[in-house]
Amino acid sequence: GESVGLHLPTLSVQEGDNSIINCAYSNSASDYFIWYKQESGKGPQFIIDIRSNMDKRQGQRVTVLLNKTVKHLSLQIAATQPGDSAVYFCAENNNDYKLSFGAGTTVTVRA
Amino acid sequence: NAGVTQTPKFQVLKTGQSMTLQCAQDMNHEYMSWYRQDPGMGLRLIHYSVGAGITDQGEVPNGYNVSRSTTEDFPLRLLSAAPSQTSVYFCASSSQGATTYGYTFGSGTRLTVV
Repeated sequence: GESVGLHLPTLSVQEGDNSIINCAYSNSASDYFIWYKQESGKGPQFIIDIRSNMDKRQGQRVTVLLNKTVKHLSLQIAATQPGDSAVYFCAENNNDYKLSFGAGTTVTVRA
Repeated sequence: NAGVTQTPKFQVLKTGQSMTLQCAQDMNHEYMSWYRQDPGMGLRLIHYSVGAGITDQGEVPNGYNVSRSTTEDFPLRLLSAAPSQTSVYFCASSSQGATTYGYTFGSGTRLTVV
């Protein structure tokens, strides 16, 4: 079946460095993608989204890149901070009502 | 503004017991969903609703029932709990489905079935 997945389950980053979290998707019909952040003991929190008619979208310290040719999505976090330690999920829109989630990447920020 | 509220936060059940996980949102959102999250896996959709009186199955609906009698509430019922239902359950809501801003999630219910 078609699904969204992340390349690496864990990522260790030095505080102050930039982080790049990758996600591969296989549903070519997906037209909307979201990155979520989940801190320990909490529900997923919206970070940034992007539509399939865009290649790049920037937020505060975060950038999402979409490469439809290779069905790849990435989240870049600038100047990673200890508060960025969390699990990051990409999700794709299958239809108006449902999101499909990848397995997540655990980001650990080293002081 | 409380957002999406889930109760209880923690629950231990014996195999065969029944219970209802409560979910309420105060944002007047039409769309609501239930997901479960298991270790090393992403969230999987159990059931969803596009409005009061309308529900449908997600990818893992077996063993769960839902109803949507009001816009605000979307309870998830386990009729006969099984150890395979040990998981963290998240309720989520959205004003415009999954195509804009995705869903707003509650803080979760951690369920253990022994």
